Amino acid sequence: SQQGEEDPQALSIQEGENATMNCSYKTSINNLQWYRQNSGRGLVHLILIRSNEREKHSGRLRVTLDTSKKSSSLLITASRAADTASYFCATRETGANNLFFGTGTRLTVIP
Amino acid sequence: ETGVTQSPTHLIKTRGQQVTLRCSSQSGHNTVSWYQQALGQGPQFIFQYYREEENGRGNFPPRFSGLQFPNYSSELNVNALELDDSALYLCASSPSDRGVLPLHFGNGTRLTVT
Repeated sequence: SQQGEEDPQALSIQEGENATMNCSYKTSINNLQWYRQNSGRGLVHLILIRSNEREKHSGRLRVTLDTSKKSSSLLITASRAADTASYFCATRETGANNLFFGTGTRLTVIP
Repeated sequence: ETGVTQSPTHLIKTRGQQVTLRCSSQSGHNTVSWYQQALGQGPQFIFQYYREEENGRGNFPPRFSGLQFPNYSSELNVNALELDDSALYLCASSPSDRGVLPLHFGNGTRLTVT
């Protein structure tokens, strides 16, 4: 079974708008990571946030983590058509070596 | 540096057959993980190998087995294929087995079981 759930399942926005995706998880974690997947290809790591961090930035990406609510959000600012992809959150549970992936958000950015 | 490469890219097998998928890890990475991704779903963890030993396994039956070689490349073997095994199989490598560093994924092998 999968650890996380992303919300929404699908999101369609105009180029230049911001996109926000949310992730909820169930257990205690060591870190949470976000990955991007273009259609039918491998996943690309975007950003990692540790359980003792609340916010992290990388270029146009901003990630927040609320361990009390067991949730995270990924904000992509000034979206581009090239941002069209599926986005997954993945958690490393405390004591585990592997990552558990969520169900993903399918983002479409319309030029 | 060379990234993670997987072969073959596509494969069609018949129910009951056996399949071997291959993965070359990124240079300097000693940990390889395998994931199964069904259409429209997130990747599901199959198992992880660290320095040629399995050190973690997800909820997959024993007919899913693997190997890691001294050069840290890896194989995933699936016996007695079932229709539900149709999926994208992803290999990922990392310089750490602790899950504290990002995974580097290959582009996957698309397996179709008919």
